[in-house]
Amino acid sequence: DAGVIQSPRHEVTEMGQEVTLRCKPISGHNSLFWYRQTMMRGLELLIYFNNNVPIDDSGMPEDRFSAKMPNASFSTLKIQPSEPRDSAVYFCASSLMEVGNSPLHFGNGTRLTVT
Amino acid sequence: GENVEQHPSTLSVQEGDSAVIKCTYSDSASNYFPWYKQELGKRPQLIIDIRSNVGEKKDQRIAVTLNKTAKHFSLHITETQPEDSAVYFCAALASGSARQLTFGSGTQLTVLP
Repeated sequence: DAGVIQSPRHEVTEMGQEVTLRCKPISGHNSLFWYRQTMMRGLELLIYFNNNVPIDDSGMPEDRFSAKMPNASFSTLKIQPSEPRDSAVYFCASSLMEVGNSPLHFGNGTRLTVT
Repeated sequence: GENVEQHPSTLSVQEGDSAVIKCTYSDSASNYFPWYKQELGKRPQLIIDIRSNVGEKKDQRIAVTLNKTAKHFSLHITETQPEDSAVYFCAALASGSARQLTFGSGTQLTVLP
């Protein structure tokens, strides 16, 4: 299995632009998570989906952030408009079942820089 | 919600020595505690986990202990090697309908040759 696949690996954009991050979970995994990692705040859960349905989006910073999972093999995290403080590494992760019953597998992340 | 505190934030040890990283959690109902290793520029990877019905688990040079009464758990690495150098994160699984991992702030472990 190729693992969790994220694209792009790096994204540099100007403030105000729209940014879309993409994720393909491991085939057969039912849960998908978006995390943001910064030096100041560590690993923060933004949103998670179970069977393509958003379960908890309380970690989404503000309305500029949105996430979708149109099918079991694809999810997007969109930031519109982007701001310099959004600069971070964004990780997508998936698990076969509910976390705690199966391990969480991370993708390689997208390093976002907003200038 | 769950709150996880991790100490120390940085740890340097000589090759061959042991390293211990400690975490505390706040939700007494949490029942799953994984540890992740993140090498520089790479993704976090699960190295070991423990459930609340077990007090200790060992896998070769790494072990995790759990004290439910005190609500703390620790990662122990013995006979450290330079390739053990990385950031280590503990996590706890929150209870309730939103079962999600809450991560500690991470420990940068440096193994000096």
